[in-house]
Amino acid sequence: QKEVEQDPGPLSVPEGAIVSLNCTYSNSAFQYFMWYRQYSRKGPELLMYTYSSGNKEDGRFTAQVDKSSKYISLFIRDSQPSDSATYLCAMDGTGGFKTIFGAGTRLFVKA
Amino acid sequence: DTAVSQTPKYLVTQMGNDKSIKCEQNLGHDTMYWYKQDSKKFLKIMFSYNNKELIINETVPNRFSPKSPDKAHLNLHINSLELGDSAVYFCASGQETQYFGPGTRLLVL
Repeated sequence: QKEVEQDPGPLSVPEGAIVSLNCTYSNSAFQYFMWYRQYSRKGPELLMYTYSSGNKEDGRFTAQVDKSSKYISLFIRDSQPSDSATYLCAMDGTGGFKTIFGAGTRLFVKA
Repeated sequence: DTAVSQTPKYLVTQMGNDKSIKCEQNLGHDTMYWYKQDSKKFLKIMFSYNNKELIINETVPNRFSPKSPDKAHLNLHINSLELGDSAVYFCASGQETQYFGPGTRLLVL
């Protein structure tokens, strides 16, 4: 079993839809939870960062962490074609020295 | 002003050759990383360096040798390149939150 599981998709939605992206994990030592966005032929860029459990909101993006279920989510409201990218969840329990990434979910938002 | 830069962006070479990739960050971070992203987009950590010291070596073959001359630089040298080394290599810096370079696309023929 992989430490971090993420459905690779692809996920295709119409513009304006609410998108839900999810990851599950097995390592209870993870305390730092991140979402990165990666456009084609670019490096990943940090979208959201959460420490331990809870919710965090930033504009159209909301990150949720449920440590009891070992489940994290990213919600994108009012999705735009510019949101089309690969979304990678990432987790760490070592203070940043060994971050484990999910496989990434490819998202397509159709105009 | 570029935060994390890598050179070269593209590298095409023959099997058996030796090549280097350079990375520099101007964010003042103590920790730098090398990641490998394969054709299926899976991003896997290779090395972590903190203040020029190796912290994590994720069972990477000895043919890969990172070197950190100072906190702002982390270079990657690869000996005797193999077909399976073809991938995109990303440098990053930071800690819990990381900033990635643009990547180096390596193709071994």
